[in-house]
Amino acid sequence: NAGVTQTPKFQVLKTGQSMTLQCAQDMNHEYMSWYRQDPGMGLRLIHYSVGAGITDQGEVPNGYNVSRSTTEDFPLRLLSAAPSQTSVYFCASRAGTRYGYTFGSGTRLTVV
Amino acid sequence: AQRVTQPEKLLSVFKGAPVELKCNYSYSGSPELFWYVQYSRQRLQLLLRHISRESIKGFTADLNKGETSFHLKKPFAQEEDSAMYYCALRTGAGNKLTFGGGTRVLVKP
Repeated sequence: NAGVTQTPKFQVLKTGQSMTLQCAQDMNHEYMSWYRQDPGMGLRLIHYSVGAGITDQGEVPNGYNVSRSTTEDFPLRLLSAAPSQTSVYFCASRAGTRYGYTFGSGTRLTVV
Repeated sequence: AQRVTQPEKLLSVFKGAPVELKCNYSYSGSPELFWYVQYSRQRLQLLLRHISRESIKGFTADLNKGETSFHLKKPFAQEEDSAMYYCALRTGAGNKLTFGGGTRVLVKP
């Protein structure tokens, strides 16, 4: 099992550019989430999914889009990058309500 | 709305000393609480769940519903415990996790 795989590990974008952060898990987990990690603010939920075809907004969804066409993949799209989106992004998945989340290794994004 | 507070941003202790990381939560329902650890530039790893009531790497945490707390404790800190620790609260619908701001633990030799 590879667990939760995120790509890329690092990315630099110019303001206004768009890109997709990839997240894949091979554990057949139903629940998947995207968080951003900022100093002093912990992790904040961007979007989450409770299964293929079902997504919902988290705490800080503005500027981000998600889709869940398969159980395995949960990509996060930045529509028009802004410097405020400079952060470390973590994807996480969970088998069900009785289990803890498994996190990916993160994507460090810088928007200049 | 649910909220998780970790009042200490940094805890610095000497090796062999006890360490306690505070976590307080606000949630009107039945909480499910976790501690996650993040070693330098690595992914978050689940350390403890209050439901399992187990001890991992010498750490324990007890849920106190009266005080709405879930403090993490270890009687004898080791240098390898130096990391960032996050307390998290899972709330019912949507299976969302709400994280505290994190506490950085530095264990000095």
